[in-house]
Amino acid sequence: EIVLTQSPGTLSLSPGETATLSCWASQRVSRSYVAWYQHKPGQAPRLLIYAASLRATGIPDRFSGSGSGTDFTLIINRLEPEDFAVYYCQQYGTSPNTFGQGTNLDIK
Amino acid sequence: EGQLVESGGGKVQPGGSLRLSCAASGFTFSSYWMHWVRLVPGKGLVWVSFINSEGTSTNYADSVKGRFTISRDNAKNTLYLQMDSVRVEDTAVYYCVRPRSPYLNYFDLWGQGALVTVSS
Repeated sequence: EIVLTQSPGTLSLSPGETATLSCWASQRVSRSYVAWYQHKPGQAPRLLIYAASLRATGIPDRFSGSGSGTDFTLIINRLEPEDFAVYYCQQYGTSPNTFGQGTNLDIK
Repeated sequence: EGQLVESGGGKVQPGGSLRLSCAASGFTFSSYWMHWVRLVPGKGLVWVSFINSEGTSTNYADSVKGRFTISRDNAKNTLYLQMDSVRVEDTAVYYCVRPRSPYLNYFDLWGQGALVTVSS
């Protein structure tokens, strides 16, 4: 199975700054089928990005995804207080679909 | 848009059994394949199982194969996960999730999760 490694494990930033989250795959991800999710404690995870760069419905354009092959990135511009959460990447190009271990974005 | 609500979580002893349910509403449940994903402490999200829309095809992660059974009742708009011979490492929050399509397994709808704790 494809192993996804997210970096950094924890990212401490202030509101207004830009967050750059990375996701590396152990093998090439077919068709760049990578998704990103935001998860806050006690809430359902929320889909942010699919197909590496397409924003899900209702997701503000402060969130952007990019990448191909084995390297993928989620960028969050102009951090808002509600953006501080755990972020997971997922590859769904090869079965079984797998997730990264998460990046905890917390307030500095 | 839809809603998924899990129930049935709790504490169970190693070797015991538990059945999770997931009630779906706001969308045509019978048209969608469905999955279970778990959030394991210190490890993150892990895919567990899927079932096709008719309930005739299933698949499982190797870690739960032979112990867990996924099923559905389309008349009741409900998804199930029967967990047998549970282990300490099955401790997790279990999410019922809806994929975008059978061939695009990113998940656009998640439940709130059901906490399962396996401990003696």
